[in-house]
Amino acid sequence: SAVISQKPSRDICQRGTSLTIQCQVDSQVTMMFWYRQQPGQSLTLIATANQGSEATYESGFVIDKFPISRPNLTFSTLTVSNMSPEDSSIYLCSVEDRGEQYFGPGTRLTVT
Amino acid sequence: KQEVTQIPAALSVPEGENLVLNCSFTDSAIYNLQWFRQDPGKGLTSLLLIQSSQREQTSGRLNASLDKSSGRSTLYIAASQPGDSATYLCAGDSGNTPLVFGKGTRLSVIA
Repeated sequence: SAVISQKPSRDICQRGTSLTIQCQVDSQVTMMFWYRQQPGQSLTLIATANQGSEATYESGFVIDKFPISRPNLTFSTLTVSNMSPEDSSIYLCSVEDRGEQYFGPGTRLTVT
Repeated sequence: KQEVTQIPAALSVPEGENLVLNCSFTDSAIYNLQWFRQDPGKGLTSLLLIQSSQREQTSGRLNASLDKSSGRSTLYIAASQPGDSATYLCAGDSGNTPLVFGKGTRLSVIA
């Protein structure tokens, strides 16, 4: 199984600022996924990040708001730009390994 | 659009009881199905994966099954313990599609 770490684990940010979340995996993986979990809700996929290509965004999510980098097979970043209180959520990084999906511990973001 | 319903939304049981959590998909064409556990404020821990050619998986006191004809899955927990208290999420995909998650069942096992 893959072991995933995320930084930061939590942050409190001011409205209008940006935060970059890092995701590190202990093995090389082709696809990495970024999810959002709003309070009391289930997980919603933001985008799929493949190394060497542009991320693929789900309906309702755009690159200007959630730019993603994937410089190599073990690392990715998600930036939450121009934040508003509605962006307060847990952001989770995930990878797939032989059909099974594994998740990082999440980044709890509060926007004031 | 695939939607996932989990019933019940919350469940409280005394320690030692056997229990069943339910999950249903609007589109029964499920390829892979996964059950996860989420502790408060934490990420997700994968419990069981039922892949396309399978109908059931077991791990310790946990057993998950998938009825592809109806698009329904159940997670059976035997002899529940207080440490089983968490939110349980099911998620499925239809092949080359992202996982779609239910809202979860919040389980409390009372000592």
